Amino acid sequence: QSALTQPPSASGSPGQSVTISCTGTSSDVGGYNYVSWYQQHPGKAPKLMIFEVSKWPSGVPDRFSGSKSGNTASLTVSGLQAEDEADYYCSSYAGSNNVVFGGGTKLTVL
Amino acid sequence: EVQLVESGGGLVQPGGSLRLSCASSGITLSNYEMNWVRQAPGKGLEWISYISSSGSNIYYADSVKGRFTVSRDNAKNLLHLQMNSLRAEDTAVYYCAREGVYGDYAFDSWGQGTLVTVSS
Repeated sequence: QSALTQPPSASGSPGQSVTISCTGTSSDVGGYNYVSWYQQHPGKAPKLMIFEVSKWPSGVPDRFSGSKSGNTASLTVSGLQAEDEADYYCSSYAGSNNVVFGGGTKLTVL
Repeated sequence: EVQLVESGGGLVQPGGSLRLSCASSGITLSNYEMNWVRQAPGKGLEWISYISSSGSNIYYADSVKGRFTVSRDNAKNLLHLQMNSLRAEDTAVYYCAREGVYGDYAFDSWGQGTLVTVSS
């Protein structure tokens, strides 16, 4: 199973919005509404930020939002804050009891 | 507060074996579906295994199928990953992760990870 495609890096200034894409195929992102997004700070475990494309787990601020169009999912971070600087990973159910992750995007807050 | 703690990592030679464990506090592990996810140094996340709450359903990524075995001891509130025939490319931090609180295929709680290094 191939990894989902994410841009290696993204950046924005405090207060701005930034969108990270996650491109798969009709066999994963496009075929199921099981896209999740994770935030990972250096040396830390990943943290679930979005599940089922656009839903928020408890405690995650609504500055983080998710969407999907066709085979591409997106994570938008609005009102960027310094603590948002981290690596972000998307994941998707890929059928046949498999889950596939994206390669990760390093978000820099300028 | 949910806490998952992995243990058992270390340095092992190619072809060797290692058994990882995942213990929990704050939750009864037996109530949840669990997964193992790994991350090679400086690389992205890779899902490698799933086990249902009862242990009756188990799935693996192709990269570890036939070499790794996931199991759980619900009486002891433990999750295990038996890793055999280890290769250099298995070098990674291994995380256990809980699934099911926020639906399928979303991992809401993670351990801190345990590092496995496969090298001669």
